[in-house]
Amino acid sequence: AQSVTQLGSHVSVSEGALVLLRCNYSSSVPPYLFWYVQYPNQGLQLLLKYTTGATLVKGINGFEAEFKKSETSFHLTKPSAHMSDAAEYFCAVSDQRAAGNKLTFGGGTRVLVKP
Amino acid sequence: ETGVTQTPRHLVMGMTNKKSLKCEQHLGHNAMYWYKQSAKKPLELMFVYSLEERVENNSVPSRFSPECPNSSHLFLHLHTLQPEDSALYLCASSQEFISNQPQHFGDGTRLSIL
Repeated sequence: AQSVTQLGSHVSVSEGALVLLRCNYSSSVPPYLFWYVQYPNQGLQLLLKYTTGATLVKGINGFEAEFKKSETSFHLTKPSAHMSDAAEYFCAVSDQRAAGNKLTFGGGTRVLVKP
Repeated sequence: ETGVTQTPRHLVMGMTNKKSLKCEQHLGHNAMYWYKQSAKKPLELMFVYSLEERVENNSVPSRFSPECPNSSHLFLHLHTLQPEDSALYLCASSQEFISNQPQHFGDGTRLSIL
């Protein structure tokens, strides 16, 4: 079975600083990879996805992520944090070998942005 | 109205009540999902429907009963729930039931069991 590990359940960054959220997966075959964001009292919103092609993926709100097969990672970054980036972020994978569309989620990383 | 809409947003019920959660998607998608989000636990997939047929039941207790009358609507019928069932229930949809398709989520129903 696949698993997803997000290092750090809480991250605190200063406004204007780099945001780096880590995601590692365990799978012998690289899965499809997704990052979602959840603002308070809302559902999950897709930030970006990697399915094939260029390994550096750009998403909404200035976020990007890089798929590194050798490191089984898909870390999310944003060069300069805004107060509006305070939310919980989830990395998710789906097995490209399997029939269907079942996402396995990491435990989430809650981001706090300090003024 | 666009996206995935869930009603009600909040629900408080006793253990002996019967209630239903509703999800409606306006995206023209063919697959719909129910997830449970509890504090300190990863999101758990509960049920999946593809083209109105249930294709996944992830060992969910029978006190949860899904229904998908058409490709735009999904219900979760609840009866005789337990306190540990208190959680945020999220509905999602995707274009097809294929692993490279992103899922689009509603804002959830916050369920509290007294």
